[in-house]
Amino acid sequence: EDQVTQSPEALRLQEGESSSLNCSYTVSGLRGLFWYRQDPGKGPEFLFTLYSAGEEKEKERLKATLTKKESFLHITAPKPEDSATYLCAVRSTGGGNKLTFGTGTQLKVEL
Amino acid sequence: GAVVSQHPSWVICKSGTSVKIECRSLDFQATTMFWYRQFPKQSLMLMATSNEGSKATYEQGVEKDKFLINHASLTLSTLTVTSAHPEDSSFYICSTDLGQAADTQYFGPGTRLTVL
Repeated sequence: EDQVTQSPEALRLQEGESSSLNCSYTVSGLRGLFWYRQDPGKGPEFLFTLYSAGEEKEKERLKATLTKKESFLHITAPKPEDSATYLCAVRSTGGGNKLTFGTGTQLKVEL
Repeated sequence: GAVVSQHPSWVICKSGTSVKIECRSLDFQATTMFWYRQFPKQSLMLMATSNEGSKATYEQGVEKDKFLINHASLTLSTLTVTSAHPEDSSFYICSTDLGQAADTQYFGPGTRLTVL
């Protein structure tokens, strides 16, 4: 059974204080790892898809990396508008279309 | 811009009534749509996969007769919560992979259901 564990559960940063969020996963075969941002009361907003170990993707202050066991979402010089819950999900080769989500990291960036 | 829309964004109903939630794909034809449920402080859980013109595929533990899914057109899938009870109160979200058999799913804005 696919499993996704995210840490920390919550993270409070000062504006400009860079940090990383962790997503550890267990799958029989990885078809894709996904990062989403979710604001309160809203649906998840797509950020990145990663497919193989060593792959990296960047978007503004965010950078996602992937190894065979985990993924990191690096946030460089965050701003208050980066405050949200960041969700990690995996799709396995044997899981069809199913996405398995972690419980997310709730990030708050303060001035 | 938005890929998927949902209606209503929130609904409050009495216990025992049925509620229908619509999920529409915008500017493209979605052969497949997915329905998720999210309880407070918990992760999204896939309920069912909706395929246009055929029966939905439900995840283990999801009651087919309680959560009725209809995908009658390439732009609309509906989820009907029948005989709703307070424990059905949750955030329901649909998604689609843009009909390209791609891996990435794009989510709608969600529907908050509260059953009194």
